[in-house]
Amino acid sequence: GNSVTQMEGPVTLSEEAFLTINCTYTATGYPSLFWYVQYPGEGLQLLLKATKADDKGSNKGFEATYRKETTSFHLEKGSVQVSDSAVYFCALTSGANSKLTFGKGITLSVRP
Amino acid sequence: DAGVIQSPRHEVTEMGQEVTLRCKPISGHNSLFWYRQTMMRGLELLIYFNNNVPIDDSGMPEDRFSAKMPNASFSTLKIQPSEPRDSAVYFCASSVMDRNEQFFGPGTRLTVL
Repeated sequence: GNSVTQMEGPVTLSEEAFLTINCTYTATGYPSLFWYVQYPGEGLQLLLKATKADDKGSNKGFEATYRKETTSFHLEKGSVQVSDSAVYFCALTSGANSKLTFGKGITLSVRP
Repeated sequence: DAGVIQSPRHEVTEMGQEVTLRCKPISGHNSLFWYRQTMMRGLELLIYFNNNVPIDDSGMPEDRFSAKMPNASFSTLKIQPSEPRDSAVYFCASSVMDRNEQFFGPGTRLTVL
């Protein structure tokens, strides 16, 4: 079956620090990969996605590259802001439907 | 576009009472998903529908939970009777089938006393 593994959290960084959040996956076929973000008190929002190997998804300064050889989709940002404080979920879909498999999520706190 | 609409946003009830959560998906979307989020178990998929038909309900925790989608613009998740361990945030999400991206509603925070 499909599974997503995220690094353990929480993560606390100072503003302007570099961010990496690790994500690895197990899936049948050729999955699409996603990062979702959940700000306090809100639902999840799509942050970025990649649908095939070597694709790079990017949005709001965040990037992630679909690495088939290492089955990874690590999230990076060069300089985090306080407003990036949120919970980040890695997820995938595979097959003919839209069913998402989520990782456990990781809480990021950015201090001024 | 109004996005996915959920009601109520907050619900506080007593153990044993019936609870009904409501969801209106984005117009034109034909897949609908119900999730539950807790600190202990994270985000869990409860059930999803394609074209109003339930496809996978393996995540529904027990018979006390039921979900319906009578038409393309409305779905309910019902818990009867409710128990304190059902306390969680329940999210509804919708998508265009096979398009992968799901759009989430703001959630309903349920507290069962």
